[in-house]
Amino acid sequence: EAAVTQSPRSKVAVTGGKVTLSCHQTNNHDYMYWYRQDTGHGLRLIHYSYVADSTEKGDIPDGYKASRPSQENFSLILELASLSQTAVYFCASSPGQGAFAEQFFGPGTRLTVL
Amino acid sequence: GDKVKQSPSALSLQEGTNSALRCNFSIAATTVQWFLQNPRGSLMNLFYLVPGTKENGRLKSAFDSKESYSTLHIRDAQLEDSGTYFCAAEGRGSALGRLHFGAGTQLIVIP
Repeated sequence: EAAVTQSPRSKVAVTGGKVTLSCHQTNNHDYMYWYRQDTGHGLRLIHYSYVADSTEKGDIPDGYKASRPSQENFSLILELASLSQTAVYFCASSPGQGAFAEQFFGPGTRLTVL
Repeated sequence: GDKVKQSPSALSLQEGTNSALRCNFSIAATTVQWFLQNPRGSLMNLFYLVPGTKENGRLKSAFDSKESYSTLHIRDAQLEDSGTYFCAAEGRGSALGRLHFGAGTQLIVIP
């Protein structure tokens, strides 16, 4: 059974609309991350969290909010979706940092903003 | 500039041959992960490394933190090895296990 799941797996949104991407993990990991991948590129960190009810900004947080209501769940929120936010979004979890920093990824959500 | 540079950016291999992929780091990397993104888009963990080497079947990876690079060797390439290989590094002093990804190496294995 997949340890990191994402929903929806794909979504089409309209410009200016609100989008919420959800991530759920059963790894019992404290750390969770949201990345975006643009076609032909690597992953870039948007937001992350190391404990419930707390989130941190990553490298490209503008236009995104995050919410960590519990250890298992981490959401990414686009309040006003824009064309430039069309991408594939990956969620990941990790037991910690340093020697415990191995990250495990969900299957991704393909978001198209029209 | 890019904190993690991967080379080559693309590669075609004849089935049964060997090759090596490389990542150079401009940050003080403490750990490295290698992933394979398959044609369906899923990211699969290949290796998680502290300085040293690991081997798994036809794959072998090394991480030299002093020289700031990591390699992934593929032996006897098979068709199912096709996909995009990413390396990612955690930098010394990085908060909370943040990873810096390279742009990837797109590998095509030809029959």
